[in-house]
Amino acid sequence: EAQVTQNPRYLITVTGKKLTVTCSQNMNHEYMSWYRQDPGLGLRQIYYSMNVEVTDKGDVPEGYKVSRKEKRNFPLILESPSPNQTSLYFCASSFRDRSSYEQYFGPGTRLTVT
Amino acid sequence: AQSVAQPEDQVNVAEGNPLTVKCTYSVSGNPYLFWYVQYPNRGLQFLLKYITGDNLVKGSYGFEAEFNKSQTSFHLKKPSALVSDSALYFCAVRDIRSSNTGKLIFGQGTTLQVKP
Repeated sequence: EAQVTQNPRYLITVTGKKLTVTCSQNMNHEYMSWYRQDPGLGLRQIYYSMNVEVTDKGDVPEGYKVSRKEKRNFPLILESPSPNQTSLYFCASSFRDRSSYEQYFGPGTRLTVT
Repeated sequence: AQSVAQPEDQVNVAEGNPLTVKCTYSVSGNPYLFWYVQYPNRGLQFLLKYITGDNLVKGSYGFEAEFNKSQTSFHLKKPSALVSDSALYFCAVRDIRSSNTGKLIFGQGTTLQVKP
């Protein structure tokens, strides 16, 4: 089954404690990205990757890091989480050069930083 | 700058009645438009898209959307609403003109509440 998986689904942590949210897709997609969803703001892109070892900032990258060492995986790293990073996070993937194709989204990770 | 607006935070409709969820967009060039639905505690699911061709596009679960270039709108519709359609709906446009070709620009989301 074609899918994007994320782990963990729920996470409560404290300010400053480094964490990683994993994302994996099995569709051989080149393009992967992370979004955060906040009430009244829709989804905003944090980082994206056009292919292995190619990553770049989205609209709200402050406080986040990513890596793309393998095509299927795109982890999101919060080196020193702060309460304003409490949000719902989605990983997404798609083909890079076929703009008419839809993006596939993971189930989401709800992060609370106290 | 490219943008998407969903003017209604919430839409309430009785089961069996037609529903419309509104979306307007602002892009340079031809838009690639999408609708996604988010059920509670679930990720976003693709409903339908407009790339080119017929202005009325049909999607999953009986939904359809009408692309109107002159009004820069892409409203989501369904002839007869079901209680199970209650969810959060997002309109999005794909930013194909920048180097970040996969990026989706989302509206704020509209909560659809269908009452029995």
